[in-house]
Amino acid sequence: DGGITQSPKYLFRKEGQNVTLSCEQNLNHDAMYWYRQDPGQGLRLIYYSQIVNDFQKGDIAEGYSVSREKKESFPLTVTSAQKNPTAFYLCASSIGPLHRGSYEQYFGPGTRLTVT
Amino acid sequence: GQNIDQPTEMTATEGAIVQINCTYQTSGFNGLFWYQQHAGEAPTFLSYNVLDGLEEKGRFSSFLSRSKGYSYLLLKELQMKDSASYLCAVLGLGGFKTIFGAGTRLFVKA
Repeated sequence: DGGITQSPKYLFRKEGQNVTLSCEQNLNHDAMYWYRQDPGQGLRLIYYSQIVNDFQKGDIAEGYSVSREKKESFPLTVTSAQKNPTAFYLCASSIGPLHRGSYEQYFGPGTRLTVT
Repeated sequence: GQNIDQPTEMTATEGAIVQINCTYQTSGFNGLFWYQQHAGEAPTFLSYNVLDGLEEKGRFSSFLSRSKGYSYLLLKELQMKDSASYLCAVLGLGGFKTIFGAGTRLFVKA
């Protein structure tokens, strides 16, 4: 069964601690994305990666970091510099824009992070 | 600037038809998505419009007018399970960055 997995589903951390959210896909997709969703708001792009070993900042990258060492994996680290980290984090992947017409993003189940 | 507007909430009756509107102003446009998101879950893909016109897919249809920066999602024969948020999203030029609207929460009542 192909898909995207995110773990854990719920995560609790103390303020000042870094935390890493995992995202793995076995869809053989080139592109991967991290979004943040706050109540009553749309998804906001944190980082995206077009291919392995390459990634770009999205609209709200401050306080976050990523790596893309493997095609299947795109972990997101929420650092202590992120001022308001409590949110629902969604990872997504797509075949990639080089494959014309295949722009649909497939989303993982999300991780709800609470920082106190 | 980039802006996507859609109503915050809508209520409709089971079996009825509902139209969810979306207007957008973006610096680049490749196409427009509609996603469905149930509470606490991931969004799931409904449609992707590139050209003007109506595209029908079962009970769901999506319309696009690029010249007007306007789209709508039409849901027919509403079912209780259609209660969810519906996200309008624009794919920018280059095909990577997608900008999402805040979503429309649809409540279907019996």
